[in-house]
Amino acid sequence: QQPVQSPQAVILREGEDAVINCSSSKALYSVHWYRQKHGEAPVFLMILLKGGEQKGHEKISASFNEKKQQSSLYLTASQLSYSGTYFCGTEQGSGTYKYIFGTGTRLKVLA
Amino acid sequence: ETGVTQTPRHLVMGMTNKKSLKCEQHLGHNAMYWYKQSAKKPLELMFVYNFKEQTENNSVPSRFSPECPNSSHLFLHLHTLQPEDSALYLCASSRGLAAGAGGELFFGEGSRLTVL
Repeated sequence: QQPVQSPQAVILREGEDAVINCSSSKALYSVHWYRQKHGEAPVFLMILLKGGEQKGHEKISASFNEKKQQSSLYLTASQLSYSGTYFCGTEQGSGTYKYIFGTGTRLKVLA
Repeated sequence: ETGVTQTPRHLVMGMTNKKSLKCEQHLGHNAMYWYKQSAKKPLELMFVYNFKEQTENNSVPSRFSPECPNSSHLFLHLHTLQPEDSALYLCASSRGLAAGAGGELFFGEGSRLTVL
């Protein structure tokens, strides 16, 4: 079962903020966030682990609510380079390496 | 440059052809993955290998046959494919950390496959 992301698409002006949500019907052991620009490979942004440990990007933050099986990615003061499709990836079972990706959120930042 | 190299970058094949996609990682990782990305669809997990052993086959049709001879190389052998198999095939690797610790995926640029 793929995690569901919302919104599906968002358009921002430079400097505006955005929140992207990822919701799973299964228990989450870790949540990854990636950004994929058109024609390029997905690039890692952030990982959130059970227990609250967080590793990632200095200008992007995220939260992980284990009880609600949800994660949110916070993009503040967006830049043109933030444009792309954002995916959350969730590990289906502790230590399985079975990373299932969400439905994706297309984000476009305008000057 | 992510340290994961995929070849070929583009492949066109007929439904009766046999071809292979190759992935090589130079990161010293132990886990390798194949993902399929169709137009306007999310990434779809196909196979996972950990220390050369297949640990996940996500209900992939047998016309896709993976091979992992060592922790640095991963192949996807293709035969008698269908036009709906046309997609971007992404290879990824990760450190393969202990349970619950996660480990970010490093993706290759992908192999764009077109089945005629």
